[in-house]
Amino acid sequence: DTAVSQTPKYLVTQMGNDKSIKCEQNLGHDTMYWYKQDSKKFLKIMFSYNNKELIINETVPNRFSPKSPDKAHLNLHINSLELGDSAVYFCASSLGQNTGELFFGEGSRLTVL
Amino acid sequence: GNSVTQMEGPVTLSEEAFLTINCTYTATGYPSLFWYVQYPGEGLQLLLKATKADDKGSNKGFEATYRKETTSFHLEKGSVQVSDSAVYFCALSARGNAGKSTFGDGTTLTVKP
Repeated sequence: DTAVSQTPKYLVTQMGNDKSIKCEQNLGHDTMYWYKQDSKKFLKIMFSYNNKELIINETVPNRFSPKSPDKAHLNLHINSLELGDSAVYFCASSLGQNTGELFFGEGSRLTVL
Repeated sequence: GNSVTQMEGPVTLSEEAFLTINCTYTATGYPSLFWYVQYPGEGLQLLLKATKADDKGSNKGFEATYRKETTSFHLEKGSVQVSDSAVYFCALSARGNAGKSTFGDGTTLTVKP
């Protein structure tokens, strides 16, 4: 039983398209995150939700819009994809807002052509 | 703000060699410290953690000690195996930071037989 699962695992798409990545956690955690990992493996936080409420919104273009329908799900929609959006996107969850330990999904590799 | 500085990679070792990956941090208050490991094609997973000064985290033969006086959390293993080849991330989590963890840039370790 996968704790944090993301779909799809791979996306290949053209510039200008719109795509979504879905994430679900079955750990009963209150807090969920989206991270972006670039080709050099640097990790950057994008968003965080606590009990469906947005609590972290780093400097991310408006083309990225997260949605949390309930505390077990956090989806990421990206409009008008650009070449620079190519990366691996990781979903993660934690027990609460300040509990530190993160549980990561396996990642969604987005390639924009 | 909070920051984590890790030893730059890549690091290449022969099997059974001793491993040290240095990590120092800057944070207000008393953060919790973590090492995460990312195996090829996978998400990050927690390797070990320490929540207060002088705590030692350990797992799978890896160890790290929370040193408040030197603001360090160096990762060590006495004898590495080929299967330890991965990217290692040092991270901290501090209260009052809306649950945002701060990650180092990652250190790629390759172990050769």
